[in-house]
Amino acid sequence: EVQLVESGGGLVRPGGSLRLSCAASGFTFSSYWMSWVRQAPGKGLEWVAKIKRDGSEIYYVDSVKGRFTISRDNAKKSLYLQMNSLRAEDTAVYYCARVKGSDALDNWFDPWGQGTLVTVSS
Amino acid sequence: QSVLTQPPSVSGAPGQRITISCTGSSSNIGAGYDVHWYQQLPGTAPKLLIYANNNRPSGVPDRLSGSKSGTSASLAITGLQAEDDADYYCQSYDNSLSGSVVFGGGTKLTVL
Repeated sequence: EVQLVESGGGLVRPGGSLRLSCAASGFTFSSYWMSWVRQAPGKGLEWVAKIKRDGSEIYYVDSVKGRFTISRDNAKKSLYLQMNSLRAEDTAVYYCARVKGSDALDNWFDPWGQGTLVTVSS
Repeated sequence: QSVLTQPPSVSGAPGQRITISCTGSSSNIGAGYDVHWYQQLPGTAPKLLIYANNNRPSGVPDRLSGSKSGTSASLAITGLQAEDDADYYCQSYDNSLSGSVVFGGGTKLTVL
């Protein structure tokens, strides 16, 4: 069974840092792009970042550029999101998702992890 | 303000047919990029319903279908059931934003 399990969420003060992890199982992790998508409380979905199979291509939504870093360890079948300089507006459930599709553009997400809540508040 | 526009809510009685629209522009759907649809039940992670405009993953019933034309796409659900009561999101790619995946704002489907 394909499974993604996020961890690392929690309460952090504005300006603080947090590192999210996503453990993958049930598929060949190194063969897929991976992504992070977030959802603020009561709001819609927002794509955050994606990383190529070997980590050689990385993309971010403008609002997190320079603050967040996506990375992966294919040997550990794990995806990470290092979040620095956190703001109140970064408060959200963060989902890890496997990227599917034949190229770098027309991608979709399947499956998704259960999510981990990040709360940025003083 | 989402790049892709969806109606905030739609509703229908059990057994009826509903559609949810997803309107984009010339830099995303209108540029030929595929549209994908997700269902999110309360308190759970999104689940893929339709990929590449009109393809259903295994396990998704054929009561659900997708279509795309011009700068818009639609998700249709026939034979509405109580279990369809959920939030639905469309997703595509936008070439005006580097590497950017874009989502619609979401539509709450209420089964009356």
